[in-house]
Amino acid sequence: DTGVSQDPRHKITKRGQNVTFRCDPISEHNRLYWYRQTLGQGPEFLTYFQNEAQLEKSRLLSDRFSAERPKGSFSTLEIQRTEQGDSAMYLCASSLGQGAVQPQHFGDGTRLSIL
Amino acid sequence: AQSVTQLGSHVSVSEGALVLLRCNYSSSVPPYLFWYVQYPNQGLQLLLKYTSAATLVKGINGFEAEFKKSETSFHLTKPSAHMSDAAEYFCAVSDNTNAGKSTFGDGTTLTVKP
Repeated sequence: DTGVSQDPRHKITKRGQNVTFRCDPISEHNRLYWYRQTLGQGPEFLTYFQNEAQLEKSRLLSDRFSAERPKGSFSTLEIQRTEQGDSAMYLCASSLGQGAVQPQHFGDGTRLSIL
Repeated sequence: AQSVTQLGSHVSVSEGALVLLRCNYSSSVPPYLFWYVQYPNQGLQLLLKYTSAATLVKGINGFEAEFKKSETSFHLTKPSAHMSDAAEYFCAVSDNTNAGKSTFGDGTTLTVKP
């Protein structure tokens, strides 16, 4: 179990630029989740994948956001035309989706700062 | 729909004192409940989970939580606080109808005074 890894850890960009984050889940985990966390708040659900299929998207995920999980392995989250309000910590988590609900294993997140 | 309320955004205790962090949940189906801890600039680490077995759940680092259905509560306790317990704590609820995604509370910051 090498854990969930996220890259980059920090991203600073100018408003209007596009950014892409990567998440590598625990290898045997078939479910992958993206959350957004702002200061003083708990993580908010953005989207999740079961293998390569994106099965649910939160209404928080505007059309500027897109996520993929090709081949059911790593995932990317892209934000186009970034806005000040996109500044947050973006957390990725993975779990085994079988039987009873399993706890999610979180990466250390990507902190996005919009100048 | 599910929701979690964590009462008290900040809790301060002395080293060696009892830690009590409060969590109340709302769920229309039998819930799965979790407590996570987050240290600065890190992700969330699971402390313990309730999955409809024993109502008193023991976790890592001496923490435990008790599921009380009648009170819709899942409070986190530790008999004796240690300086290393200072962190932010999140309660989360999930269930089998939503693919395991979790709804989190807003967190409680625990400060431990020497």
